[in-house]
Amino acid sequence: GAVVSQHPSWVICKSGTSVKIECRSLDFQATTMFWYRQFPKQSLMLMATSNEGSKATYEQGVEKDKFLINHASLTLSTLTVTSAHPEDSSFYICSASPGLTDTQYFGPGTRLTVL
Amino acid sequence: AQSVTQLGSHVSVSEGALVLLRCNYSSSVPPYLFWYVQYPNQGLQLLLKYTSAATLVKGINGFEAEFKKSETSFHLTKPSAHMSDAAEYFCAVSEIGGNQFYFGTGTSLTVIP
Repeated sequence: GAVVSQHPSWVICKSGTSVKIECRSLDFQATTMFWYRQFPKQSLMLMATSNEGSKATYEQGVEKDKFLINHASLTLSTLTVTSAHPEDSSFYICSASPGLTDTQYFGPGTRLTVL
Repeated sequence: AQSVTQLGSHVSVSEGALVLLRCNYSSSVPPYLFWYVQYPNQGLQLLLKYTSAATLVKGINGFEAEFKKSETSFHLTKPSAHMSDAAEYFCAVSEIGGNQFYFGTGTSLTVIP
C-alpha cells in the first residue's frame, strides 16, 4: 500500500518551453502533497506544500510563477515548470501524506533536462 | 525550526559487517523520526519510522533504529550488510502537529565485497 507515482519519469525539453509533471497517490487519498527538488549528491529541497483545493505554500526563494502547482484532487497534484531554462534541470520528487503529521510517501522522481 | 544532522556523508562497510548510520535531531520535544533509502535515480523508500511508541523500531530489509531521547539520536543499524544495501540514506524529522519534513544531508553507504 501507499504507492505514489510520477509521470513522466524522464523528460527532455527545449529552453523556453513548459513541462508538466504529475504526481498521483494510487491507493490512498493524500490530504497534503509535497514537491521537492534534488541536485546531484545532495539532499532534498522542499519547494512547496499543497493541500487539495487550496493554493500551494511555497518555500522561500521558490518562484511560484515559475513552478506552478495544482492540487486538483485528493489523488493528483501537478507541477508545471514554466519557460524552463537549463538551470531548472534537476530531479523533481513528489510525496504524498494521508494526514497531518503522517508519513510522507515518495514518488519515483522525474528527471528534467532542459536543453 | 528543526535541524537534522547525519554524521558521515560516506560510510563504507564490508559485506556481512555491521551497518551504523548516525542521525541526531535538534528538537527538545521528541518529534516523529523517519529513515528513508534512495537508490540511484529513484525516489525515497520508507525504511522505518518512530512515532512515540516503542523506542526500538524495526523496519524493512533487516534495518532497525533506536530512539534515544537523552542523546537526541535516531541511529540506523543493520547487523549484517548486504551488497544490495548500497544506497543513499536520509534521516528525516517531522514536528508533532506540523506536516513538514526536515531532511538530513544524507549518508551514502558503500558495501565492499
